[in-house]
Amino acid sequence: AQTVTQSQPEMSVQEAETVTLSCTYDTSENNYYLFWYKQPPSRQMILVIRQEAYKQQNATENRFSVNFQKAAKSFSLKISDSQLGDTAMYFCAFIRATGKLIFGQGTTLQVKP
Amino acid sequence: KAGVTQTPRYLIKTRGQQVTLSCSPISGHRSVSWYQQTPGQGLQFLFEYFSETQRNKGNFPGRFSGRQFSNSRSEMNVSTLELGDSALYLCASRSGLAGSTDTQYFGPGTRLTVL
Repeated sequence: AQTVTQSQPEMSVQEAETVTLSCTYDTSENNYYLFWYKQPPSRQMILVIRQEAYKQQNATENRFSVNFQKAAKSFSLKISDSQLGDTAMYFCAFIRATGKLIFGQGTTLQVKP
Repeated sequence: KAGVTQTPRYLIKTRGQQVTLSCSPISGHRSVSWYQQTPGQGLQFLFEYFSETQRNKGNFPGRFSGRQFSNSRSEMNVSTLELGDSALYLCASRSGLAGSTDTQYFGPGTRLTVL
C-alpha cells in the first residue's frame, strides 16, 4: 500500500527566512505524481507545487521549490523568503494511476513577524 | 474560470438523519473526487466519479454514496449519520482527460457537524 509520511507536525519560521518541510513516501510504482497542498485557516486546499516522478529536474514555483529524491522516496518543500500569508497547514500528497490522492498527516507552519 | 464550488458550506444534523452535499467542478472538468478530513484520521479518499460513473472507491461503509450528473456536478449522500461522520468534506475536480494523474483542484469544503 502507498503511504505518505510527514514527520514534522509543527514548524515555525521567521518572516523572510527559509524553511524546509519534509515528506517521504512509499510506493512500488514507477510513474506517479507528487504534490504539496496548502490549507490556510480558511480551510481551502490550494495547490502549491507539483512534481512528475519521471522528471529529474526539481519543480519550482516562485518562492516554492522541491527537492525530489526518487531513489530515497523523499519530496521536501522549501519556502524561501517566508511571508505571513504562508502560515497554513501543508500536505504532501501522492497520486498514481488510479487517480486517488494519498495525503500525509500534514505540517502546520507558523510564520512569525 | 470559476473554481470548484460546494454547497452548503456548513451543516448541522442529528444522529440518524441523512445529508446530501453538492459539488460543482471547474467548467470542463469531468472528474470529481470526494475526501473526508478529520483531526484524527486526516484526509481520506471517499470516491471518484468520471462521466457519471464511479471510478474509484475508498474504504468507507455503504452509508456513504455519491453520484454524478451529466453536467459533471456531483452529490454525496450520507445516510444514518453517526457522530464520527462530523468532518470537513472536500470535493476536488480535475479534467480527467490527460490521464489519471492530472492535478486536482479543491473546493472550500462543507463542514458537517453531527449532534
